[in-house]
Amino acid sequence: DQQVKQNSPSLSVQEGRISILNCDYTNSMFDYFLWYKKYPAEGPTFLISISSIKDKNEDGRFTVFLNKSAKHLSLHIVPSQPGDSAVYFCAASGGTYKYIFGTGTRLKVLA
Amino acid sequence: EAGVVQSPRYKIIEKKQPVAFWCNPISGHNTLYWYRQNLGQGPELLIRYENEEAVDDSQLPKDRFSAERLKGVDSTLKIQPAELGDSAVYLCASGTGGNYNEQFFGPGTRLTVL
Repeated sequence: DQQVKQNSPSLSVQEGRISILNCDYTNSMFDYFLWYKKYPAEGPTFLISISSIKDKNEDGRFTVFLNKSAKHLSLHIVPSQPGDSAVYFCAASGGTYKYIFGTGTRLKVLA
Repeated sequence: EAGVVQSPRYKIIEKKQPVAFWCNPISGHNTLYWYRQNLGQGPELLIRYENEEAVDDSQLPKDRFSAERLKGVDSTLKIQPAELGDSAVYLCASGTGGNYNEQFFGPGTRLTVL
């Protein structure tokens, strides 16, 4: 049973445009959500997080939106840059250290 | 600041052979995690250490997998004997512990079992 789902395995966006990556979850006990970015042959690196008490968190070009009623979160990257091309994982936690990861979305930003 | 170090980066073995992975966490991080990432999937937690104590090994297949962190710093994950289905990337992560804390990942060891 996949508790965290990223239904789009890949996404292509033109440089300078907005990238929107989506993530859905099923467990209503999740209260903390993270996005990790992974380049080939490297480990995932933390990008941005959001607590369930918020519906938006922004860090530079990256913004995460949380819709608790829909059990949905999204990562917006504006403007997208070629260096953003990577696999993006969303992860969720229910008040513990244990993060449940989605299957990832491969973003390709076209120059 | 040096990141999480893992070795080897790649390993190819025949099935039924043993294999071991090594991890050196970020200095000062008392919490260490081992994850397995199958192709096309996200990382899945195998075991978590607080210092030298394995505080969560519920997802570790104990019939063939073992792990240790004897001095509360470096850690080793072992598979004996390896099976074809063990082919995956094994990731080590470290952190300062507690909930809602960032986990810093190493580059992983890609294991191929033939």
